[in-house]
Amino acid sequence: AQSVAQPEDQVNVAEGNPLTVKCTYSVSGNPYLFWYVQYPNRGLQFLLKYITGDNLVKGSYGFEAEFNKSQTSFHLKKPSALVSDSALYFCAVKAGANNLFFGTGTRLTVIP
Amino acid sequence: DGGITQSPKYLFRKEGQNVTLSCEQNLNHDAMYWYRQDPGQGLRLIYYSQIVNDFQKGDIAEGYSVSREKKESFPLTVTSAQKNPTAFYLCASKAGELYNDEQFFGPGTRLTVL
Repeated sequence: AQSVAQPEDQVNVAEGNPLTVKCTYSVSGNPYLFWYVQYPNRGLQFLLKYITGDNLVKGSYGFEAEFNKSQTSFHLKKPSALVSDSALYFCAVKAGANNLFFGTGTRLTVIP
Repeated sequence: DGGITQSPKYLFRKEGQNVTLSCEQNLNHDAMYWYRQDPGQGLRLIYYSQIVNDFQKGDIAEGYSVSREKKESFPLTVTSAQKNPTAFYLCASKAGELYNDEQFFGPGTRLTVL
């Protein structure tokens, strides 16, 4: 079965510093991986996805993610964090023909 | 939140009552989904529908029912059989059967059982 794990419930980073939100995956076959962000009391917004090709995927709001097949990871990164990046971040993997399996989420807090 | 609307934003229910959550999309998407979100548990799939008049159970379908009579609409009924319905409910849609299409989410409905 396809699954993802987000090992950190909470990540704190100072404004202007680089940030990383971790995700590891377990799949049979080729992984199709996604990152979403959720602001308080809102739906999820799509950030980026990896299907195939370059291991570094660029997405919305300056975020990028690095796919690492040997480590089965898909970490979300940003070179310089903003206070407005504070939110809940979800990693997801394609599961079945048409569905996604979501991780439990990581709450990112950017400290001014 | 794209072209997906959910109503109401907040819903209060007494124990033993059925309630229906609305989800409408104007994106012409074929597939629609209902998720339940609880703190620390991420999103769990309740039901999904890939075409009109067809739907499948997700991981936690017990106590819920859905219908898909129109492409644009995918209402979710939370029945009295759902033992712990207080949660944040999210509806999503997806364009088609391509494996790399991302899902688009509505703003959510927060259901509280009194």
